[in-house]
Amino acid sequence: EAGVTQFPSHSVIEKGQTVTLRCDPISGHDNLYWYRRVMGKEIKFLLHFVKESKQDESGMPNNRFLAERTGGTYSTLKVQPAELEDSGVYFCASSQPRTGGGETQYFGPGTRLLVL
Amino acid sequence: AQKVTQAQTEISVVEKEDVTLDCVYETRDTTYYLFWYKQPPSGELVFLIRRNSFDEQNEISGRYSWNFQKSTSSFNFTITASQVVDSAVYFCALSEITGNQFYFGTGTSLTVIP
Repeated sequence: EAGVTQFPSHSVIEKGQTVTLRCDPISGHDNLYWYRRVMGKEIKFLLHFVKESKQDESGMPNNRFLAERTGGTYSTLKVQPAELEDSGVYFCASSQPRTGGGETQYFGPGTRLLVL
Repeated sequence: AQKVTQAQTEISVVEKEDVTLDCVYETRDTTYYLFWYKQPPSGELVFLIRRNSFDEQNEISGRYSWNFQKSTSSFNFTITASQVVDSAVYFCALSEITGNQFYFGTGTSLTVIP
């Protein structure tokens, strides 16, 4: 079974440009999450999809970030326009809902974004 | 407030030594879940273990063991007879019954020297 995949693995862009990250979750997983790790800090939650609906986007830093999950399959995270502080590793994770919560999230390899 | 603290930023051990990675958490929920993930140089986060707040039994899986103590809000991870392949960044995470997001610590970078 294929794991969570993310594309691209690396992206280097200039401040003000637009970047779109893609995540393909494990097939059949309804839950999809985006997280970000800024250098040396903790991995922080950005948002959570259940199928195509945004369940929780409380971690999105500002309106320069737009996440979509059309059709409830893959998801994209667009940063427009990118700023220097957006640099970091963006992780995607997926899971199946579990009665009582606490489902295990399976993570992709991340996209390393560097904004110059 | 929810918080996970991994006070050890970097640890180096010589191969075959035992090493313990510390994790201390904060939560107001009485039902919660704790996780450990391994991040090898390839970058992906590999799931190691999930433990719920009602199960304080220690767990052993091969050379890995986990010590969960609610009294000290700790969920420590021990690698016995470390190997070079154990070199990685290890993350501890918390999730609560009231939500789905994970709260991560800052990670501990483990280097096993041959």
